[in-house]
Amino acid sequence: EVQLLESGGGLVQPGGSLRLSCAASGFTLTSYAMSWVRQAPGKGLEWVSGIRGNGESTFYADSVKGRFTISRDNSKNTLYLQMNSLRAEDTALYYCAKGASIVGNALFDYWGQGTLVTVSS
Amino acid sequence: DIQMTQSPSSLSASVGDRVTITCRASQSISRFLNWYQQKPGKAPNLLIYAASSLQSGVPSRFSGSGSGTDFTLTISSLQPEDFATYYCQQTYTTLSWTFGQGTKVEIK
Repeated sequence: EVQLLESGGGLVQPGGSLRLSCAASGFTLTSYAMSWVRQAPGKGLEWVSGIRGNGESTFYADSVKGRFTISRDNSKNTLYLQMNSLRAEDTALYYCAKGASIVGNALFDYWGQGTLVTVSS
Repeated sequence: DIQMTQSPSSLSASVGDRVTITCRASQSISRFLNWYQQKPGKAPNLLIYAASSLQSGVPSRFSGSGSGTDFTLTISSLQPEDFATYYCQQTYTTLSWTFGQGTKVEIK
Protein backbone atom coordinates (compact mmCIF):
# COMPACT_ATOMS: atom_id res chain seq x y z
CA GLU A 1 0.00 0.00 0.00
CA VAL A 2 1.36 3.40 -0.99
CA GLN A 3 1.71 5.83 1.90
CA LEU A 4 3.22 9.30 2.14
CA LEU A 5 3.85 10.79 5.57
CA GLU A 6 4.93 14.43 5.81
CA SER A 7 6.58 15.98 8.83
CA GLY A 8 8.68 18.97 9.78
CA GLY A 9 6.13 21.76 9.67
CA GLY A 10 5.76 24.33 12.40
CA LEU A 11 5.93 27.99 13.33
CA VAL A 12 8.91 29.93 12.02
CA GLN A 13 9.77 33.62 11.92
CA PRO A 14 10.04 35.52 8.63
CA GLY A 15 13.48 34.98 7.15
CA GLY A 16 13.84 31.65 8.90
CA SER A 17 14.32 28.13 7.56
CA LEU A 18 12.52 24.83 7.81
CA ARG A 19 13.02 21.38 6.30
CA LEU A 20 10.02 19.27 5.43
CA SER A 21 10.22 15.50 5.07
CA CYS A 22 7.99 13.03 3.27
CA ALA A 23 8.54 9.38 4.14
CA ALA A 24 7.33 7.13 1.35
CA SER A 25 6.34 3.49 1.65
CA GLY A 26 4.85 0.96 -0.72
CA PHE A 27 6.96 2.15 -3.64
CA THR A 28 10.47 3.34 -4.45
CA LEU A 29 11.08 7.06 -4.87
CA THR A 30 13.66 6.48 -7.59
CA SER A 31 10.95 5.07 -9.85
CA TYR A 32 8.61 8.06 -9.79
CA ALA A 33 8.61 11.83 -10.03
CA MET A 34 7.62 13.50 -6.79
CA SER A 35 6.29 16.95 -6.03
CA TRP A 36 5.45 19.31 -3.23
CA VAL A 37 2.12 21.12 -3.48
CA ARG A 38 0.94 23.71 -0.98
CA GLN A 39 -2.38 25.19 0.02
CA ALA A 40 -2.61 28.47 1.90
CA PRO A 41 -5.43 28.65 4.46
CA GLY A 42 -8.75 28.84 2.65
CA LYS A 43 -7.03 29.02 -0.75
CA GLY A 44 -6.39 26.77 -3.72
CA LEU A 45 -3.62 24.38 -4.65
CA GLU A 46 -0.21 25.61 -5.76
CA TRP A 47 2.44 23.31 -7.19
CA VAL A 48 5.75 24.24 -5.53
CA SER A 49 8.52 21.90 -6.63
CA GLY A 50 9.19 18.59 -8.32
CA ILE A 51 11.98 16.09 -8.87
CA ARG A 52 12.28 13.47 -11.58
CA GLY A 53 12.41 9.79 -10.68
CA ASN A 54 16.03 9.57 -11.76
CA GLY A 55 16.80 12.54 -9.53
CA GLU A 56 18.66 14.31 -12.31
CA SER A 57 16.30 17.24 -12.65
CA THR A 58 14.50 19.47 -10.21
CA PHE A 59 11.87 22.10 -10.89
CA TYR A 60 10.45 25.03 -8.94
CA ALA A 61 7.60 27.48 -9.09
CA ASP A 62 8.75 31.06 -9.64
CA SER A 63 7.41 31.97 -6.20
CA VAL A 64 9.97 29.76 -4.44
CA LYS A 65 12.86 29.59 -6.90
CA GLY A 66 16.16 30.37 -5.22
CA ARG A 67 14.72 29.88 -1.73
CA PHE A 68 13.48 26.27 -1.70
CA THR A 69 15.40 23.11 -2.55
CA ILE A 70 13.88 19.70 -3.22
CA SER A 71 15.95 16.59 -2.60
CA ARG A 72 15.65 13.01 -1.52
CA ASP A 73 17.49 10.29 0.37
CA ASN A 74 17.14 7.07 -1.58
CA SER A 75 18.38 4.95 1.32
CA LYS A 76 15.57 6.29 3.51
CA ASN A 77 13.02 6.52 0.67
CA THR A 78 12.33 10.04 1.87
CA LEU A 79 11.67 13.28 0.01
CA TYR A 80 12.67 16.66 1.44
CA LEU A 81 11.92 20.31 0.93
CA GLN A 82 14.45 22.73 2.37
CA MET A 83 12.80 26.12 2.75
CA ASN A 84 14.96 29.19 3.37
CA SER A 85 14.20 32.91 3.58
CA LEU A 86 10.63 32.13 4.51
CA ARG A 87 7.95 34.77 4.03
CA ALA A 88 4.46 35.21 5.43
CA GLU A 89 3.05 34.20 2.06
CA ASP A 90 4.70 30.78 2.39
CA THR A 91 2.24 29.95 5.17
CA ALA A 92 0.37 26.89 3.96
CA LEU A 93 -0.33 23.21 4.32
CA TYR A 94 2.39 21.43 2.37
CA TYR A 95 1.55 18.15 0.68
CA CYS A 96 3.92 15.73 -0.98
CA ALA A 97 2.46 14.00 -3.99
CA LYS A 98 3.54 10.96 -5.96
CA GLY A 99 3.67 11.39 -9.69
CA ALA A 100 2.60 8.86 -12.26
CA SER A 101 2.17 8.71 -15.98
CA ILE A 102 -0.77 7.05 -17.68
CA VAL A 103 -0.87 7.00 -21.49
CA GLY A 104 1.78 9.71 -21.44
CA ASN A 105 -0.24 11.98 -19.17
CA ALA A 106 1.37 13.01 -15.89
CA LEU A 107 -0.74 13.15 -12.76
CA PHE A 108 -0.62 12.86 -8.96
CA ASP A 109 -2.05 9.53 -7.88
CA TYR A 110 -1.19 9.62 -4.16
CA TRP A 111 -0.97 12.47 -1.68
CA GLY A 112 0.15 12.71 1.92
CA GLN A 113 -1.96 14.27 4.64
CA GLY A 114 0.09 17.47 4.67
CA THR A 115 2.24 19.35 7.17
CA LEU A 116 1.42 22.92 8.22
CA VAL A 117 3.99 25.68 7.90
CA THR A 118 3.22 29.00 9.58
CA VAL A 119 5.52 31.96 8.99
CA SER A 120 4.86 34.67 11.53
CA SER A 121 6.67 36.86 14.03
CA ASP B 1 3.67 30.04 -17.25
CA ILE B 2 0.39 28.49 -18.29
CA GLN B 3 -2.55 29.95 -16.38
CA MET B 4 -5.65 27.90 -15.64
CA THR B 5 -8.98 29.62 -15.08
CA GLN B 6 -11.98 27.77 -13.70
CA SER B 7 -15.58 28.88 -13.73
CA PRO B 8 -17.64 29.31 -11.77
CA SER B 9 -15.67 29.82 -8.54
CA SER B 10 -18.59 28.36 -6.64
CA LEU B 11 -22.03 26.99 -7.33
CA SER B 12 -25.05 25.77 -5.40
CA ALA B 13 -26.83 22.67 -6.58
CA SER B 14 -29.24 20.05 -5.36
CA VAL B 15 -28.86 16.30 -5.14
CA GLY B 16 -29.65 14.84 -8.53
CA ASP B 17 -28.66 17.96 -10.48
CA ARG B 18 -26.34 17.87 -13.47
CA VAL B 19 -23.30 20.02 -12.75
CA THR B 20 -20.73 21.35 -15.20
CA ILE B 21 -17.44 23.06 -14.31
CA THR B 22 -15.22 24.62 -16.94
CA CYS B 23 -11.48 25.12 -17.07
CA ARG B 24 -9.66 27.28 -19.60
CA ALA B 25 -5.92 27.25 -20.27
CA SER B 26 -4.00 30.37 -21.32
CA GLN B 27 -2.47 28.38 -24.20
CA SER B 28 -3.10 25.04 -25.82
CA ILE B 29 -2.30 22.10 -23.55
CA SER B 30 -3.59 19.36 -25.87
CA ARG B 31 -5.27 16.91 -23.48
CA PHE B 32 -2.80 17.23 -20.61
CA LEU B 33 -5.51 18.09 -18.12
CA ASN B 34 -6.49 16.42 -14.86
CA TRP B 35 -9.34 16.97 -12.42
CA TYR B 36 -9.15 16.52 -8.64
CA GLN B 37 -11.76 16.55 -5.90
CA GLN B 38 -10.92 17.88 -2.46
CA LYS B 39 -13.12 17.55 0.59
CA PRO B 40 -12.58 19.71 3.70
CA GLY B 41 -9.57 18.63 5.74
CA LYS B 42 -8.52 16.04 3.17
CA ALA B 43 -5.91 15.79 0.46
CA PRO B 44 -7.05 16.07 -3.16
CA ASN B 45 -8.17 12.94 -4.97
CA LEU B 46 -7.69 12.29 -8.69
CA LEU B 47 -10.93 11.96 -10.65
CA ILE B 48 -10.08 12.40 -14.33
CA TYR B 49 -6.77 12.32 -16.22
CA ALA B 50 -5.88 13.06 -19.83
CA ALA B 51 -8.99 15.27 -20.04
CA SER B 52 -11.52 12.44 -20.23
CA SER B 53 -10.16 9.21 -18.70
CA LEU B 54 -11.82 8.13 -15.47
CA GLN B 55 -9.45 7.17 -12.68
CA SER B 56 -9.97 3.68 -11.32
CA GLY B 57 -12.58 3.57 -8.58
CA VAL B 58 -14.21 6.90 -9.48
CA PRO B 59 -17.97 6.71 -10.08
CA SER B 60 -19.12 6.88 -13.69
CA ARG B 61 -21.31 9.93 -12.99
CA PHE B 62 -18.07 11.93 -13.33
CA SER B 63 -16.89 12.68 -16.84
CA GLY B 64 -14.46 15.02 -18.53
CA SER B 65 -14.14 16.46 -22.00
CA GLY B 66 -12.21 18.99 -24.01
CA SER B 67 -8.86 19.58 -25.65
CA GLY B 68 -6.63 22.50 -26.51
CA THR B 69 -7.67 25.30 -24.19
CA ASP B 70 -11.22 24.48 -23.07
CA PHE B 71 -12.23 21.65 -20.77
CA THR B 72 -15.23 20.60 -18.75
CA LEU B 73 -15.94 18.36 -15.78
CA THR B 74 -19.49 17.07 -15.58
CA ILE B 75 -21.27 15.35 -12.72
CA SER B 76 -24.33 13.76 -14.28
CA SER B 77 -26.38 13.38 -11.10
CA LEU B 78 -24.97 15.11 -8.02
CA GLN B 79 -24.75 12.94 -4.92
CA PRO B 80 -24.38 14.07 -1.28
CA GLU B 81 -20.76 12.91 -1.21
CA ASP B 82 -19.91 15.09 -4.23
CA PHE B 83 -20.13 18.36 -2.34
CA ALA B 84 -16.49 19.42 -2.42
CA THR B 85 -14.03 21.66 -4.22
CA TYR B 86 -12.84 20.66 -7.68
CA TYR B 87 -9.53 21.64 -9.27
CA CYS B 88 -8.22 21.30 -12.79
CA GLN B 89 -4.47 20.84 -13.34
CA GLN B 90 -2.39 21.17 -16.49
CA THR B 91 0.60 18.88 -16.95
CA TYR B 92 1.62 20.08 -20.41
CA THR B 93 4.87 21.65 -19.22
CA THR B 94 7.28 19.20 -17.65
CA LEU B 95 7.16 19.43 -13.87
CA SER B 96 5.86 22.98 -13.92
CA TRP B 97 2.28 22.14 -13.33
CA THR B 98 -0.43 24.64 -12.47
CA PHE B 99 -3.87 24.29 -10.96
CA GLY B 100 -7.03 26.23 -11.51
CA GLN B 101 -8.28 28.30 -8.59
CA GLY B 102 -10.94 25.75 -7.71
CA THR B 103 -14.72 25.44 -7.90
CA LYS B 104 -16.63 24.88 -4.68
CA VAL B 105 -19.82 22.85 -5.09
CA GLU B 106 -22.25 23.58 -2.27
CA ILE B 107 -25.66 22.28 -1.29
CA LYS B 108 -28.60 24.41 -2.40
